[in-house]
Amino acid sequence: EVQLVQSGAEVRKPGESLKISCKASGYSFVTAWIGWVRQMPGKGLEWMGIMNPRDSETRYSPSFQGQVTISDDKSISTAFLQWSSLKASDTAMYYCARSIVPGTWGLWGQGTLVTVSS
Amino acid sequence: QSALTQPPSASGSPGQSVTISCTGTSSDVGAYNYVSWYQQHPGKAPKLMIYQDTKRPSGVPDRFSGSKSGNTASLTVSGLQAEDDADYYCNSYAGSNYVFGSGTKVTVL
Repeated sequence: EVQLVQSGAEVRKPGESLKISCKASGYSFVTAWIGWVRQMPGKGLEWMGIMNPRDSETRYSPSFQGQVTISDDKSISTAFLQWSSLKASDTAMYYCARSIVPGTWGLWGQGTLVTVSS
Repeated sequence: QSALTQPPSASGSPGQSVTISCTGTSSDVGAYNYVSWYQQHPGKAPKLMIYQDTKRPSGVPDRFSGSKSGNTASLTVSGLQAEDDADYYCNSYAGSNYVFGSGTKVTVL
């Protein structure tokens, strides 16, 4: 089955670091772009950035440049989203998505809820 | 990169049609044939409904259709059904990245 499976919910304190994952299965990981999307509680969808696993080219949306790091490990077909110092405002649901057809995000992970609270 | 503009809400009775607009600029919606639309039910991941402006993925009912004119794209849901009650987001390629619309809550009365 073609799917993206994300890591489980996380609770952290402000200032802590965090790395969440998105594991691809059922297709060749390097053949499709991976994107990360933030959805704050009760709010809309926001692109954080996209990555081409073939060469690890990464493009960040302006609002997220320098705030997060997107990476991958091709040996385990997994993409990562990482924070070095979390803020309470990072509390949100985070989705990964796949694009095989240009401009089309047809496969989504189930989401990872990140809660940042002291 | 500003979010694409969508109306906050739209509604219709079962069987009726509703059209949602998505207004961008000549740098995103108007520049590429890469507008897509996503349906999201509460607590669920988004689901692709329309891609490349007008194409429908297999499995999506033909009640859903997309169109575009200039810098404005539209999603039309014909023959509204109860399960269409959800949030809808447009999305466009913007040259090096993507941008979502602000989202529209569709209510089936």
